[in-house]
Amino acid sequence: EDQVTQSPEALRLQEGESSSLNCSYTVSGLRGLFWYRQDPGKGPEFLFTLYSAGEEKEKERLKATLTKKESFLHITAPKPEDSATYLCAVQARGNTGKLIFGQGTTLQVKP
Amino acid sequence: EPEVTQTPSHQVTQMGQEVILRCVPISNHLYFYWYRQILGQKVEFLVSFYNNEISEKSEIFDDQFSVERPDGSNFTLKIRSTKLEDSAMYFCASSEVFGDTQYFGPGTRLTVL
Repeated sequence: EDQVTQSPEALRLQEGESSSLNCSYTVSGLRGLFWYRQDPGKGPEFLFTLYSAGEEKEKERLKATLTKKESFLHITAPKPEDSATYLCAVQARGNTGKLIFGQGTTLQVKP
Repeated sequence: EPEVTQTPSHQVTQMGQEVILRCVPISNHLYFYWYRQILGQKVEFLVSFYNNEISEKSEIFDDQFSVERPDGSNFTLKIRSTKLEDSAMYFCASSEVFGDTQYFGPGTRLTVL
């Protein structure tokens, strides 16, 4: 069964304290891995798509990496406005377009 | 920047009533999806839709649920007879190409009393 597990569930950082979020997945052939940001009561906001092991994408203080079993979202020198829940989702090869989501990591960055 | 829109933002209904949730996907997108998120839980896939047909549906998407693209811009999710356990945030998403990034709307919070 295709599955996504994110860790930790919650993370508290001081402003400027860099860290990484983990997304482990098992899927019957990966088409793509997606990172989203979700603020309370809002819809997921797209951050990155990764398609193959070794691929990396960067945007401001965020960098996403992908291996054959997991993905990391690295946050460098976070600011309070980076506080949100970060969701990882995978899409399997084949005729399905559905995304399978992890539980998310809720990040709180304190000034 | 194009975005997915959803109405209403919040819908309160009595158990057993029918509700229709509406979505306007990004205009040049061809693939449409509904997901739901029960409070504190994962985002779950409900259904995908392409070329006026359901492509795939989950176990959650039973006979009480239906989707429709009534015109060139709207995409709707209907729940015929709501249950308490249907209370959740419902998100519409769309993508331009199959397998491409899915962009999500802001969601409709459905509360069933």
